[in-house]
Amino acid sequence: SYVLTQPPSVSVDPGKTARITCGGNDMETKSVHWYKQVPGQAPVLVTYYNSARPSGIPERFSGSNSGSTATLTISRVEAGDEADYFCQVWDSSSDWVFGGGTKLTVL
Amino acid sequence: QVQLVQSGAEVKKPGASVTVSCETSGYTFTSHYIHWVRQAPGQGLVWMGIINPGGGFTTYARNFQGRVTLTRDTSTATVYMQLSSLRSDDTAVYYCARDSEVLRDGGIYEFWGQGTLVIVSS
Repeated sequence: SYVLTQPPSVSVDPGKTARITCGGNDMETKSVHWYKQVPGQAPVLVTYYNSARPSGIPERFSGSNSGSTATLTISRVEAGDEADYFCQVWDSSSDWVFGGGTKLTVL
Repeated sequence: QVQLVQSGAEVKKPGASVTVSCETSGYTFTSHYIHWVRQAPGQGLVWMGIINPGGGFTTYARNFQGRVTLTRDTSTATVYMQLSSLRSDDTAVYYCARDSEVLRDGGIYEFWGQGTLVIVSS
């Protein structure tokens, strides 16, 4: 089965840039979606198809995918960005797969 | 506006079955696939399956094959997820989510239900 690897936690100062990675085999061939989840709430889509952004999501959120790693970048981090972030891809061996999640802490 | 409203929390005994409903509104029901995703306490997201509300066609995740059944009622724009042979490790919040793609499985979940907590305990 296909595995997506995310760091368990990332910490960042307010106003700085946070980068959350998502690794997997042949990642450069896949389209990656990213979700933000505040505990106790449903996830929220923040980027899709590697770098597209849904309406209502700030431009501070951007996605990229190159080599074996996809990255969600959050610029000018705010306290409200503190949440769990999950990446998602489709793979023929596992259908839709999510990464284990990264807890973003704003210091 | 697009809304997905799920049924309320359930408590079930091991071996029983549970059915969770997802009532949709605000869009053409048959134009967007519905996915189901679950999240055990303190854990990550796990994809369970997908249904095409138009034709009723389904695909299930390998880990749930034989235990999960997705159905729909086009008259009420509602999708149902039934999980059978419940075990304690099925305790989780179950979400329905609408695929943003039209008549295609894009796995893009812009709209989610509020989640339904299912507790499996003897």
